Amino acid sequence: GAGVSQSPSNKVTEKGKDVELRCDPISGHTALYWYRQSLGQGLEFLIYFQGNSAPDKSGLPSDRFSAERTGGSVSTLTIQRTQQEDSAVYLCASRPDLTLNTGELFFGEGSRLTVL
Amino acid sequence: KQEVTQIPAALSVPEGENLVLNCSFTDSAIYNLQWFRQDPGKGLTSLLLIQSSQREQTSGRLNASLDKSSGRSTLYIAASQPGDSATYLCAVGRGGFKTIFGAGTRLFVKA
Repeated sequence: GAGVSQSPSNKVTEKGKDVELRCDPISGHTALYWYRQSLGQGLEFLIYFQGNSAPDKSGLPSDRFSAERTGGSVSTLTIQRTQQEDSAVYLCASRPDLTLNTGELFFGEGSRLTVL
Repeated sequence: KQEVTQIPAALSVPEGENLVLNCSFTDSAIYNLQWFRQDPGKGLTSLLLIQSSQREQTSGRLNASLDKSSGRSTLYIAASQPGDSATYLCAVGRGGFKTIFGAGTRLFVKA
């Protein structure tokens, strides 16, 4: 596609439910990132994928959070047993690099998650 | 550990004024620095990307500079307009593919 696509744009769920957020990066981009932005806060790094390498999961806040990237393209971020503090905007970004962190980062519009 | 700081946190200026937003980082071993704009409820839009070997980049009324040795970057906006009102974030790209963001500067341009 022309840009990074995220779905759903808005998700309201009840505490304790599982949610899945989807990211479709720009075609051909090998690097994919997930960030979280809480209300009025900066961007918090969650995880990134680079080609076929093992993902860097160092930013995931707890074991309730997981992510996968199938076929080197679409990525899904899963939050199990959601808590109210998980409420935030989840942003996905992709970058065209093959080897170095030098390319431009492109963001999707985000998925706003509200946990009641 | 790389830390990125943006000053000021918020800025209000009258239309037509030239302004400078500041970004500082603690580790000069960076690959690049990117400036973004974020409108309320929206994702981030890339404005300018400066590679570590470059000193500045320009796009229209925007000019971004990079001084790696002092750990600083500035975003200069000329002849500001109400449509420039947004949050501006800088992001530092470093080894290991991590990109670290500042908390942003909220800009309001009064008509």
